[in-house]
Amino acid sequence: EPEVTQTPSHQVTQMGQEVILRCVPISNHLYFYWYRQILGQKVEFLVSFYNNEISEKSEIFDDQFSVERPDGSNFTLKIRSTKLEDSAMYFCASSESGTRGGYGYTFGSGTRLTVV
Amino acid sequence: LAKTTQPISMDSYEGQEVNITCSHNNIATNDYITWYQQFPSQGPRFIIQGYKTKVTNEVASLFIPADRKSSTLSLPRVSLSDTAVYYCLVAQRGDTGRRALTFGSGTRLQVQP
Repeated sequence: EPEVTQTPSHQVTQMGQEVILRCVPISNHLYFYWYRQILGQKVEFLVSFYNNEISEKSEIFDDQFSVERPDGSNFTLKIRSTKLEDSAMYFCASSESGTRGGYGYTFGSGTRLTVV
Repeated sequence: LAKTTQPISMDSYEGQEVNITCSHNNIATNDYITWYQQFPSQGPRFIIQGYKTKVTNEVASLFIPADRKSSTLSLPRVSLSDTAVYYCLVAQRGDTGRRALTFGSGTRLQVQP
């Protein structure tokens, strides 16, 4: 079964440092997403990406965040200057179609980001 | 977006059938009902989707009454490995708008031996 691959699985960084979280979506998928989940809380939408541009973003996705699809396979989330409250599990997801009622989103296993 | 309400938690024992009900009173004509499952430290995983009546796959069944204001996810004969958080989502089926999936708080199912 096709998978969404995320690296690294765990990253520890110092406050104020930049981090880049990497994802390889499923190859024939066209829509890409980043979500985060603070420990014990719900999964929160950050941003969606289609046709090399952001389709939608949440209030969480401020100027400190950016996304990029630098080549045909990778999808990255950059946090420019990390804060303690950025500590969370970050999930990448991809789907073949943008909505379809939520059908067919495939999530990666996540990157646990710890800001110290 | 239609708001969903589901129990915060449920307990069950191995071998029992578990039914998790979700309310979505403001569901729109174009909305589909989709359930995801999340194990600890993993990303959510699609379980099942339906529009009306009943849908069954190898994992679960989804029952949707005629008014579509609620839905029930049924897990037959649960095992310890079914311990997870289950999310009910209502989202439009169609490529217009490309609205991303939004998760609520989910139902935490604990299966005991």
